[in-house]
Amino acid sequence: KAGVTQTPRYLIKTRGQQVTLSCSPISGHRSVSWYQQTPGQGLQFLFEYFSETQRNKGNFPGRFSGRQFSNSRSEMNVSTLELGDSALYLCASSLEIVGQGRLNEQFFGPGTRLTVL
Amino acid sequence: GQSLEQPSEVTAVEGAIVQINCTYQTSGFYGLSWYQQHDGGAPTFLSYNALDGLEETGRFSSFLSRSDSYGYLLLQELQMKDSASYFCAVRDRAAGNKLTFGGGTRVLVKP
Repeated sequence: KAGVTQTPRYLIKTRGQQVTLSCSPISGHRSVSWYQQTPGQGLQFLFEYFSETQRNKGNFPGRFSGRQFSNSRSEMNVSTLELGDSALYLCASSLEIVGQGRLNEQFFGPGTRLTVL
Repeated sequence: GQSLEQPSEVTAVEGAIVQINCTYQTSGFYGLSWYQQHDGGAPTFLSYNALDGLEETGRFSSFLSRSDSYGYLLLQELQMKDSASYFCAVRDRAAGNKLTFGGGTRVLVKP
């Protein structure tokens, strides 16, 4: 079974631009989550989607948005990029979103390394 | 709200045992998970404790005590390939079931 894929793997943008990152979950997984990882802040939760609905959102400004399509693929968008948005953006998929047990196990993609100049 | 605290770094030699503690503050959560991340790689799932007690998976074990708001990951017979960052995580019911990660513990294994 193919793993979680993310595109692009690397991206360089300048301040003020916008960016769209893509994530394809493992086949059969309906939950997709996004995280921002930086050396100083660790793994910060951005949002979580399940069956095209945003179920949870982290404490990020409105410049960060996302969506999920009917095939469970997800995109996140960052508008008006700032230098501080430079980070590794990780996408993870899982079978279920809520509850106990191994169904919540997150399978991470390789990430998109975003550099804002 | 919730907060998960982990030590930032641990150093040990090959063959040793390392315990990574994770203390948390949350009014209710589903279970405690652990993830491993090598430099340049993606986090990978290691273990999940739904109930209090010890879960063993090969050289790695994980423990949870809800009454003490505490859990740990135990790495035994350390190998060089265990050098990585380890994160604990909970899905916090009080925070809308968001999955929250601790800051991560960097484990450095020396020969």
